[in-house]
Amino acid sequence: EPEVTQTPSHQVTQMGQEVILRCVPISNHLYFYWYRQILGQKVEFLVSFYNNEISEKSEIFDDQFSVERPDGSNFTLKIRSTKLEDSAMYFCASRGGQGGNQPQHFGDGTRLSIL
Amino acid sequence: GNSVTQMEGPVTLSEEAFLTINCTYTATGYPSLFWYVQYPGEGLQLLLKATKADDKGSNKGFEATYRKETTSFHLEKGSVQVSDSAVYFCALTHSGYALNFGKGTSLLVTP
Repeated sequence: EPEVTQTPSHQVTQMGQEVILRCVPISNHLYFYWYRQILGQKVEFLVSFYNNEISEKSEIFDDQFSVERPDGSNFTLKIRSTKLEDSAMYFCASRGGQGGNQPQHFGDGTRLSIL
Repeated sequence: GNSVTQMEGPVTLSEEAFLTINCTYTATGYPSLFWYVQYPGEGLQLLLKATKADDKGSNKGFEATYRKETTSFHLEKGSVQVSDSAVYFCALTHSGYALNFGKGTSLLVTP
C-alpha cells in the first residue's frame, strides 16, 4: 500500500538555526498538509497546500514557517529560525483529489528537538 | 468553531474486555468523522471513518457510528487484544480541510 514517507525521523538543531523537514506524499495525491504534536498534547494543524499554493493555515504557521513543493514528489516544511517551543513531532499528510471526504494519510513523523 | 472532545485517559483494560472511547464534536453542518490510531513510536494511522449521519465505520473489529442527534462518534470494540494498546484520536473535517483532532485517549490492554 502506498505510504507517506518523512525524513529524517529525528532532527536535532540548535536554537536559531534553520531546519527543513521533508516529506514524500503518496504519488497521485493532490492535497498536502503539515501537523505538529508537542509532547503530551493534541495534534495541531499547521498548513495545507494545493495546486502549488497554501490553501489554509493556522495561527501557529507564522512568518518563521514556509512550505514548498520543489519538484513533483517532495513537500517540505522550513522553519527559518527555530525556537525551543518548536520542539515537537511534525507529521506530513496527503489526500487524494476524489472528493473532500477522502481521508488524509499520515507519515510516521519527524521528531524535532531544539537545543 | 469546530472542536472534538474525547474522554480522558488512560484507559486500562484486560484482554478480551469491551472497549468504548467516547467522542463528541461541535461543528457546523455535516463534517466527516474519523478515528486515527497511533501505536508506540509510530505515526497516525486511519482506523475508520464516517462521512454522513448514521454511517457506521468499521475496521479490525472496531466500530463507530456517526450520531448527528447526539453529535457523537464513540469508538467500540467487543474484545480488545494486547496489540490494541495505542493512543486513539477522534477527528473531524469539513470537505477535506484541516483535520481537527481531539486530545487523544491512551489505551493499555493487559494480558
